[in-house]
Amino acid sequence: GAVVSQHPSRVICKSGTSVKIECRSLDFQATTMFWYRQFPKKSLMLMATSNEGSKATYEQGVEKDKFLINHASLTLSTLTVTSAHPEDSSFYICSARDPRQGAGWNTEAFFGQGTRLTVV
Amino acid sequence: GIQVEQSPPDLILQEGANSTLRCNFSDSVNNLQWFHQNPWGQLINLFYIPSGTKQNGRLSATTVATERYSLLYISSSQTTDSGVYFCAAPRGGSGAGSYQLTFGKGTKLSVIP
Repeated sequence: GAVVSQHPSRVICKSGTSVKIECRSLDFQATTMFWYRQFPKKSLMLMATSNEGSKATYEQGVEKDKFLINHASLTLSTLTVTSAHPEDSSFYICSARDPRQGAGWNTEAFFGQGTRLTVV
Repeated sequence: GIQVEQSPPDLILQEGANSTLRCNFSDSVNNLQWFHQNPWGQLINLFYIPSGTKQNGRLSATTVATERYSLLYISSSQTTDSGVYFCAAPRGGSGAGSYQLTFGKGTKLSVIP
């Protein structure tokens, strides 16, 4: 299957600082990537859809100024948590679909390894 | 959007036992996936199965799209099967542009020696 790589896998930062998380598609190009958030012992919740060359689409209730998304190339999307606070501590996972399987949404989604963010 | 429900929420098995996990969805779909989340958080793709039956080693899955459910079978379970199993379907069901996935709440499986 397709490979999606996320970095870093774990980060600890001080309250008030910003943290950047990278999501790369290693063996395919992705015009669209997805960012999810997972609280402990909970399911994955979609935060935003990252679109190459245009603005991201955020889910209701997600602060776009808090979670900045940049999809500057066909293989890289970044999520920056700005002015992080302890309540931003969570597990963040990115995803992309492999276009080589076909066009559109009826294709398999692949996920990065996830990033565990701890804000102290 | 689509509702995805999984059962049971928790399952404890003796090593070697078989199990069936269920995923119900509220709308027709043409895309359904099963994942295993390991203890480190990595989501492992198990099956992409919008309909029919697939098998991969000790695991198999069946989706009955007309009745809006999917089943994941684990046979001869091993301790390494422990973790959380998620199913996910497109947020808009089979509607156009349903790129985003909606996840169920998962089944936490614990396999004990």
